[in-house]
Amino acid sequence: DQQVKQNSPSLSVQEGRISILNCDYTNSMFDYFLWYKKYPAEGPTFLISISSIKDKNEDGRFTVFLNKSAKHLSLHIVPSQPGDSAVYFCAASAIRTNAGKSTFGDGTTLTVKP
Amino acid sequence: NAGVMQNPRHLVRRRGQEARLRCSPMKGHSHVYWYRQLPEEGLKFMVYLQKENIIDESGMPKERFSAEFPKEGPSILRIQQVVRGDSAAYFCASSSDRGTLGLVSYEQYFGPGTRLTVT
Repeated sequence: DQQVKQNSPSLSVQEGRISILNCDYTNSMFDYFLWYKKYPAEGPTFLISISSIKDKNEDGRFTVFLNKSAKHLSLHIVPSQPGDSAVYFCAASAIRTNAGKSTFGDGTTLTVKP
Repeated sequence: NAGVMQNPRHLVRRRGQEARLRCSPMKGHSHVYWYRQLPEEGLKFMVYLQKENIIDESGMPKERFSAEFPKEGPSILRIQQVVRGDSAAYFCASSSDRGTLGLVSYEQYFGPGTRLTVT
């Protein structure tokens, strides 16, 4: 039973346009969500997070939206740059019951074309 | 380098041998997590440790796998009698005691990983 799902294995976007990466979760106990970026042969790097008490968090070109009723979150990158090409992982935690442990999706490979 | 250190970066073992993977967390971090990434798959949680304690090992296979985080020294993930299916990238991550919510920091900082190949 996969509790965090990223249904799009890959996404291709033109430089300067918006990239939208999606993530769905099934466990209603999840209350903290994170996005990580991963380049080949490197470990994931934390990008941005959001608590379930919010529905939006913004950091520069990156914005994460959370829709609790739909159990859905998305990461928007505007404008997209070639250096953003990487694998993006969505992760979820249930901080009230299982502090620290994160459940990851399978990732979406983003390619930004110059 | 104040980041999470993992060694070795690449490890080749024959079936039946033991593999030991080491992880040194970021300075000041006392929480360590191990993840496994099989080819074409995402990161799968294995174990969560604090100094000298295993907090959550729900993702660890019941046999052949063990982990420790001693009072001194790095965290060790040990795989006994390796099989071909153990071939994967193993990532270690660490987090600090305090985050933006005043609780355990949920942002994890990852090492570069150890790529284990079992021949």
